[in-house]
Amino acid sequence: NAGVTQTPKFRVLKTGQSMTLLCAQDMNHEYMYWYRQDPGMGLRLIHYSVGEGTTAKGEVPDGYNVSRLKKQNFLLGLESAAPSQTSVYFCASRATSGGAWQYFGPGTRLTVL
Amino acid sequence: AQKVTQAQTEISVVEKEDVTLDCVYETRDTTYYLFWYKQPPSGELVFLIRRNSFDEQNEISGRYSWNFQKSTSSFNFTITASQVVDSAVYFCALSEAVGAGGTSYGKLTFGQGTILTVHP
Repeated sequence: NAGVTQTPKFRVLKTGQSMTLLCAQDMNHEYMYWYRQDPGMGLRLIHYSVGEGTTAKGEVPDGYNVSRLKKQNFLLGLESAAPSQTSVYFCASRATSGGAWQYFGPGTRLTVL
Repeated sequence: AQKVTQAQTEISVVEKEDVTLDCVYETRDTTYYLFWYKQPPSGELVFLIRRNSFDEQNEISGRYSWNFQKSTSSFNFTITASQVVDSAVYFCALSEAVGAGGTSYGKLTFGQGTILTVHP
């Protein structure tokens, strides 16, 4: 099992460019999450999904869109990147039962110039 | 709404000292889970412990111990005889339960993190 993987690991964008971050999990988990981590602020939830075809906004959704077309994948899109979106992005997944265990990916470091 | 506060932004100790990282949380739910994660310089999140709200037993794992007190809404983490390899950012996090009245779908609320530096 690979667990939770994220692609890419690093990316540098120019302001206004778009990109998609891919999160994939092979544990058949229903729930998936995107967080961003900024210095001094911990991790904050951007969007989440409770199943294939469903998404919902988290704490800091502005400037991001997500899609969950397949159960194993959760995509995070930036349509027009801004320097304020420079951050480390973590994806996580969890099962519907068995407590609140979340499995985290290794993170994607994004810099927007 | 959930909230997690880690009052210590940075802690610096010398190797072999004991160090306690504080965590205070707020939630309206009676069923919830508390976590500690470690983030070493390499950047990944390393799970350390999960505690549910009905289990107030303190836990010890090697040099690590956790003190959960519902009366003060605290879940503190102590490292005994610290080592240089303990240098990292430590996060406390809270998750409300899915089902049983919870509507948060298990998302985690993190504290802002405590940067621990252990000097040789």
